Amino acid sequence: KAGVTQTPRYLIKTRGQQVTLSCSPISGHRSVSWYQQTPGQGLQFLFEYFSETQRNKGNFPGRFSGRQFSNSRSEMNVSTLELGDSALYLCASSLGHFNTGELFFGEGSRLTVL
Amino acid sequence: GESVGLHLPTLSVQEGDNSIINCAYSNSASDYFIWYKQESGKGPQFIIDIRSNMDKRQGQRVTVLLNKTVKHLSLQIAATQPGDSAVYFCSSSGTYKYIFGTGTRLKVLA
Repeated sequence: KAGVTQTPRYLIKTRGQQVTLSCSPISGHRSVSWYQQTPGQGLQFLFEYFSETQRNKGNFPGRFSGRQFSNSRSEMNVSTLELGDSALYLCASSLGHFNTGELFFGEGSRLTVL
Repeated sequence: GESVGLHLPTLSVQEGDNSIINCAYSNSASDYFIWYKQESGKGPQFIIDIRSNMDKRQGQRVTVLLNKTVKHLSLQIAATQPGDSAVYFCSSSGTYKYIFGTGTRLKVLA
């Protein structure tokens, strides 16, 4: 079956702009979680959605937001971009609530902020 | 706060040797641990998991050891191959979320 699909794979933005990233989970998976990966900080949890509800949120400013649709697809949005937001953004899906089993990751959206 | 740390940022091993990658976690309530492999340009890929009621679990060429007393887990890769070259990181189930280590880059020398 198809894996986790993230779009776009690469994008370049300038400071102050906003960006929306999309994630399509594996069919049947109801949980989608988002992560920011940078060389210095590693993989950091942003938030998790399960059945269209945000279940948990990491320690990121309110400029980072997300949502999940009824078909489990999820989007995350970053507003007022800063240089430090340059990172690989990964989403992962799982069958149930995400900390109860294996996470299946997409290949990520690499964001560069100039 | 909760944290997961890997002991070495880089590990170089000779092809055919065994590799051991270590990880320490801080939350004694963590009950589920996963090792991931991330190749360049790709997302992390599940390797093996272990629950806190076990101290060892074996997969194909990989073994995970869990020592809850010292809050340490390790990943052992037998007969390391060039295709094992990647960044490996562990994760532990924290309070409502997973906590990830920063990763160890495994380099396989021919």
